[in-house]
Amino acid sequence: DVKVTQSSRYLVKRTGEKVFLECVQDMDHENMFWYRQDPGLGLRLIYFSYDVKMKEKGDIPEGYSVSREKKERFSLILESASTNQTSMYLCASSSSIHRLAGEQYFGPGTRLTVT
Amino acid sequence: DAKTTQPTSMDCAEGRAANLPCNHSTISGNEYVYWYRQIHSQGPQYIIHGLKNNETNEMASLIITEDRKSSTLILPHATLRDTAVYYCIVSLYGGATNKLIFGTGTLLAVQP
Repeated sequence: DVKVTQSSRYLVKRTGEKVFLECVQDMDHENMFWYRQDPGLGLRLIYFSYDVKMKEKGDIPEGYSVSREKKERFSLILESASTNQTSMYLCASSSSIHRLAGEQYFGPGTRLTVT
Repeated sequence: DAKTTQPTSMDCAEGRAANLPCNHSTISGNEYVYWYRQIHSQGPQYIIHGLKNNETNEMASLIITEDRKSSTLILPHATLRDTAVYYCIVSLYGGATNKLIFGTGTLLAVQP
């Protein structure tokens, strides 16, 4: 069974802290994604990666960075957390095989609160 | 990527078919129609996708009009567990991006 796991379901951090959100997939997928979801705004793409050590900015990359050192792991980093980064963060992965590339598999999400 | 328009919410009686419409009048010839759903407090779940032909899998059927400007997702026998937000997304696939743009979707409430 396809599985994407995220390191925490709930996280509370203080303003200015460095925050790491980890995502691991066990499907040998090439592509991995980080989204955030806020009420009324839907899901917005932060960063994605289509290969180890490769990364591309999504629609809202400001204030975030990512790391992909291994194929199965994609980390989202908030260098200095701010209250406007309080949100639900969702990780996803997909195959790079053409006919499967649009089938993204999502983790359960991490609800981050920055106080 | 083409924009989609969906109703904000719909109700359906348990056991009946749920028909969720989506308009995508600016779709281009090589864009696919994807459907995902998100049950409360969970990540989105892929349901089905198609290009021109109607598609069916174990979860749902996808009907795409001949001009491809609209589509309908059909859940043949809705259950209470199908209560979720359903997203219709139009996107290219392949290439380096594989980006999907999620709108605000349709909240389907299945009533007992």
